[in-house]
Amino acid sequence: AQSVTQLDSQVPVFEEAPVELRCNYSSSVSVYLFWYVQYPNQGLQLLLKYLSGSTLVKGINGFEAEFNKSQTSFHLRKPSVHISDTAEYFCAVSDLAGQGGSEKLVFGKGTKLTVNP
Amino acid sequence: DVKVTQSSRYLVKRTGEKVFLECVQDMDHENMFWYRQDPGLGLRLIYFSYDVKMKEKGDIPEGYSVSREKKERFSLILESASTNQTSMYLCASSLYILSNTGELFFGEGSRLTVL
Repeated sequence: AQSVTQLDSQVPVFEEAPVELRCNYSSSVSVYLFWYVQYPNQGLQLLLKYLSGSTLVKGINGFEAEFNKSQTSFHLRKPSVHISDTAEYFCAVSDLAGQGGSEKLVFGKGTKLTVNP
Repeated sequence: DVKVTQSSRYLVKRTGEKVFLECVQDMDHENMFWYRQDPGLGLRLIYFSYDVKMKEKGDIPEGYSVSREKKERFSLILESASTNQTSMYLCASSLYILSNTGELFFGEGSRLTVL
């Protein structure tokens, strides 16, 4: 079964600074990788995803992530953060589930990004 | 616009009560999921369903059951609520298998407190 490790539980940064949120997954077989964001008191929404193709994936709100198969990593980056980026970020990997061959998402424990003025 | 609606944002129940959490999606999605979210633990899958009347256990199904009588509705049932089930519950849906469209659509969550 797949597992996801988000190395930092909390990341404080100043506004306009760059940020990297780290994510490692457990298996080197074909995987599909995702980053979701959760703003306070809301559900999760998709930031970006890697299914195949280019290893550099661009998402919404200026975020991007790079798939590195040899290091089993999928780190999230933004060159200049805003106060409005304050949220919790979840890395997720797809995994087979159940007997029907259906898929599920396995989530990391989350990284709380706090952007300070 | 895509919409997943969870009927109750906040609930307070007593130990031993039967609790129903309702989730409705208006996107004609095949797959529906119930996750539990706890601080420091992330999201953990309780149950999921890939078709009407079909259900499969996730990673932490103990103490829970589900019902999917109609495609748009997926209910989570706590047969006898306990204090360790105090948590945020998130419902999600997806159209195809995740590797095809790659996106879950989430509701805003139901925060359950069991006293």
